Amino acid sequence: EVQLVESGGGLVKPGGSLKLSCAASGFNFSTYSMNWVRQAPGKGLEWVSSISSRSTYMHYPDSVKGRFTISRDNAKNSLYLQMDSLTVEDTAVYYCVRDTQFLGYDYWGQGILVTVSS
Amino acid sequence: EIVLTQSPATLSVSPGERATLSCRASQSVSGSVAWYQQKPGQAPRLLIFGASFRSTGIPARFSGSGSETDYTLTISSLQSEDFAVYYCQHYNNWPRTTFGQGTTVESK
Repeated sequence: EVQLVESGGGLVKPGGSLKLSCAASGFNFSTYSMNWVRQAPGKGLEWVSSISSRSTYMHYPDSVKGRFTISRDNAKNSLYLQMDSLTVEDTAVYYCVRDTQFLGYDYWGQGILVTVSS
Repeated sequence: EIVLTQSPATLSVSPGERATLSCRASQSVSGSVAWYQQKPGQAPRLLIFGASFRSTGIPARFSGSGSETDYTLTISSLQSEDFAVYYCQHYNNWPRTTFGQGTTVESK
């Protein structure tokens, strides 16, 4: 059974940093691109970052570029998101998502809440 | 950036009725469209990919269609468990992607 379990969320002050982790199991993690997608309270879905299977490519939207860094450790079946210079607009539930390229985002974690507030 | 516009924002439907949801792209996305269902407090679930292909385990009452800039998700006979928010997504510039703002399907 495919499982994605996020951790590391919580309350952080504006300007602060936080690192999210995602533990993957039940599939060959090292062969899939992975993503982070977030959802602000009561709002829609926003793609936050993508990393290729061997960490060759990383992509970000302009809203987080230069502040967020996605990484992975295939030996540990883990995905990470380092978030720096956080603002209140980064408050959201963050989802770890498996990417099948042209077959959609087929597995999602349960999500982890990040709250940026003074 | 390609913008996806979903309509209507809210759709009021009675159980057993047909629901038709629309997703329009600001430029052609060449069939690279997925649809997701999200219920309160849950992660989104993949329903449709490639505009018209059902994901594993998705009931046949869900169908997708469309091309170029206009896409449709149809629920042929709405069940009580189908009341949820539905999002479209394009991945024409994979891995970059954007989502529509969502359509809420509520009970009439």
